[in-house]
Amino acid sequence: GQQLNQSPQSMFIQEGEDVSMNCTSSSIFNTWLWYKQEPGEGPVLLIALYKAGELTSNGRLTAQFGITRKDSFLNISASIPSDVGIYFCAGPNTGNQFYFGTGTSLTVIP
Amino acid sequence: ETGVTQTPRHLVMGMTNKKSLKCEQHLGHNAMYWYKQSAKKPLELMFVYSLEERVENNSVPSRFSPECPNSSHLFLHLHTLQPEDSALYLCASSWTRYSNQPQHFGDGTRLSIL
Repeated sequence: GQQLNQSPQSMFIQEGEDVSMNCTSSSIFNTWLWYKQEPGEGPVLLIALYKAGELTSNGRLTAQFGITRKDSFLNISASIPSDVGIYFCAGPNTGNQFYFGTGTSLTVIP
Repeated sequence: ETGVTQTPRHLVMGMTNKKSLKCEQHLGHNAMYWYKQSAKKPLELMFVYSLEERVENNSVPSRFSPECPNSSHLFLHLHTLQPEDSALYLCASSWTRYSNQPQHFGDGTRLSIL
């Protein structure tokens, strides 16, 4: 069945480093959403992408809607300790089925 | 984010108990959702309500019974649960049920079945 695969599964980085993660699908998606979930809390929306090739920033975060519409990327520049959490991609495919990704766990070492 | 509030935050119950989870959204949204989040698994969509009408039920066992009395409130009634039902249960809402609408989540109820 459909699955959104996120890579890497987990990351351990030094404070100040840049972070890159991606999300891939076996089918075409109409919208890509990126969420962050901190321990003990629900996911919080970071960025929404609605068009192939779209590049959108939210502070130090930048996300892109892949040209093939089967992937999306999230970059975090100059990471800080509060960036710790699990990052999820999500979205509807062309069949209007909504999926969440498997998540990328980020640990920032001060 | 306080737009979606879930209570209780933690719940421990035996397999023969009956309990309910509550969700309230203060965002004026028309669609509400229940998700199950287990360790090492993607979020699993359980139910979708649009304007108080259930529009999606993703093969969820009947021991989970949702109720949506109005567009601001959503309940999940639990009875005769199994140990594998232990998980974080998340409620979310969005402007409409159209799948390109971003969903806003509550902080979840951590459920443990003894």
